[in-house]
Amino acid sequence: GQNIDQPTEMTATEGAIVQINCTYQTSGFNGLFWYQQHAGEAPTFLSYNVLDGLEEKGRFSSFLSRSKGYSYLLLKELQMKDSASYLCAVRDQNGGSQGNLIFGKGTKLSVKP
Amino acid sequence: GAGVSQSPSNKVTEKGKDVELRCDPISGHTALYWYRQSLGQGLEFLIYFQGNSAPDKSGLPSDRFSAERTGGSVSTLTIQRTQQEDSAVYLCASSPSGSNQPQHFGDGTRLSIL
Repeated sequence: GQNIDQPTEMTATEGAIVQINCTYQTSGFNGLFWYQQHAGEAPTFLSYNVLDGLEEKGRFSSFLSRSKGYSYLLLKELQMKDSASYLCAVRDQNGGSQGNLIFGKGTKLSVKP
Repeated sequence: GAGVSQSPSNKVTEKGKDVELRCDPISGHTALYWYRQSLGQGLEFLIYFQGNSAPDKSGLPSDRFSAERTGGSVSTLTIQRTQQEDSAVYLCASSPSGSNQPQHFGDGTRLSIL
């Protein structure tokens, strides 16, 4: 079956670094996405990985290991506005077909002063 | 430019009534998705449209749920004979074609069934 696991909640301090992990078991794999969702708002795209390794984008980085079915999102220099839910999503369609995304339940991050 | 637009933003209705939710995707985006999100839960896939291909309806929870996409643009999600468990936020997303393309989400319709 399809399964995506993330921690339910995390707490970190302003200015610190936090790593949010995601493990997945899906029938296929054609990319992994991270989204940020503030309470009451729509998810917004953060990062995309399809090959193994680290993708860096400003304060946010995302890592993928396909052999381990594992990804993490790294947030540096945390700011209060980073308090949000972070959603891991896998595109489980192999080949050229686009397919839909399977989402994890999200990790609610609270940044404290 | 304009993002994904959904209407209404909120809908309150009585159990047993039918509801229609509308999604206007970003112009030029060939793929359109419907999800629902219950309080404290992840996004649950409902249905996916890609160009002129037959939609992927594998996520629809029952035959009370249906969706159309007219002219490859606007989509409506219809829920017939609503039940209280249908209460959720219904999110629409669109994307260009290509497996590396992220989905862009609308603000959702918050549906409450009394």
